[in-house]
Amino acid sequence: SYVLTQPPSVSVAPGKTARITCGGNNIESKSVHWYQQKPGQAPVVVINDDNDRPSGIPERFSGSNSGNTATLTISRVEAGDEADYYCQVWDTSSDHLCVFGTGTKVTVL
Amino acid sequence: QVQLVQSGPEVKKPGASVKVSCKASGYTFSSYRINWVRQAPGQGLEWMGWIDTYDGNTNYAQMLQGRVTMTTDKSSTRVFLELRSLRSDDTAIYYCAREIREEAYFDHWGQGSLITVSS
Repeated sequence: SYVLTQPPSVSVAPGKTARITCGGNNIESKSVHWYQQKPGQAPVVVINDDNDRPSGIPERFSGSNSGNTATLTISRVEAGDEADYYCQVWDTSSDHLCVFGTGTKVTVL
Repeated sequence: QVQLVQSGPEVKKPGASVKVSCKASGYTFSSYRINWVRQAPGQGLEWMGWIDTYDGNTNYAQMLQGRVTMTTDKSSTRVFLELRSLRSDDTAIYYCAREIREEAYFDHWGQGSLITVSS
């Protein structure tokens, strides 16, 4: 089965840039989506299809996807960005299953 | 506006079954698949499967095969998740989520239903 690997945690100072990676075999051939989840809340998509921002998501959120790594970048980090972040793809090589990454806790120092 | 409203929390004993509902509103119900995702306490997101609300077709995660059934009721615009032979490690928040298009992302989520399995 397809596996997506994320770092467990990323720490960043306010105003700096946070980069969260999502590793998967030849992930560049897949569309990667990113979700933000704050405590006690349902996930919210912040980047879809590698680098598109849904309506209402700040421009500070961006994405890229190349080779075996997709990256979510949060520029000018704010305290409100502190949350868990998950990447997600569809594994069309098997039974068309959805796969989530292991999740990354972003801490704003 | 699009809304997915789920049923409330439940406590079940090991070996029992649970049925969680997800009421959709604010859009054409049969035009979108609904997925179920669960999250054990302090853990990550785990995809459980989807149901096509148009024809009732389903696709389940292999680890749940044989214990899970997803159904839909067009008349009430509800989707149901039934999980049988519950174990303690089924304790989790269960979310329904609308899939914006086939094999894409989930643009709207329910508020979650906490299912606790305990003797």
